[in-house]
Amino acid sequence: QKEVEQNSGPLSVPEGAIASLNCTYSDRVSQSFFWYRQYSGKSPELIMSIYSNGDKEDGRFTAQLNKASQYVSLLIRDSQPSDSATYLCAVRRTGANNLFFGTGTRLTVIP
Amino acid sequence: GAVVSQHPSWVICKSGTSVKIECRSLDFQATTMFWYRQFPKQSLMLMATSNEGSKATYEQGVEKDKFLINHASLTLSTLTVTSAHPEDSSFYICSARDTSGGQETQYFGPGTRLLVL
Repeated sequence: QKEVEQNSGPLSVPEGAIASLNCTYSDRVSQSFFWYRQYSGKSPELIMSIYSNGDKEDGRFTAQLNKASQYVSLLIRDSQPSDSATYLCAVRRTGANNLFFGTGTRLTVIP
Repeated sequence: GAVVSQHPSWVICKSGTSVKIECRSLDFQATTMFWYRQFPKQSLMLMATSNEGSKATYEQGVEKDKFLINHASLTLSTLTVTSAHPEDSSFYICSARDTSGGQETQYFGPGTRLLVL
């Protein structure tokens, strides 16, 4: 089982819709969770970080964490074509130095 | 968010030469930095963890004598690709961990594109 799993997509949503990106992780004692956005040919950019159960909102982005289900998601409201990118879920386990990344979900927002 | 810079942003070199890439955390101190490599349309691959003042920790399959890492200060880590070959051509991205806000966060540099001829 992979440390972090994401649906590779592609996920297509119309402009203005809500895009929902999902991620599961295998290690129950993981403590820090991140969503990064990576445009083609660019490096990853931090979108959201979340450390405790529940929702965390920042502008059009909402991260949701459910540690009991080992599940973290990212919602993008009012999706824009500029949101089209690959979204990487990353998890840091307790005691681990590095982040474990999912393979990413490619999102396309259709004008 | 915090800023991590990399230099150069791209480099073209001849086979057999060495290339040095610098990674700097501009507004925070980073005791830990990471070096990744990414081939086209593939996932990020962690190469090594760079620890300030100590030896880097390399991932399995990454040659430490070929990819030399130095983390001499809290804001600078360098990756030197020694005796570069065309198969080393890739997108090299550094990342720095920021623990100054109580919770740790990891920021990426803009990456360095290496082409070995």
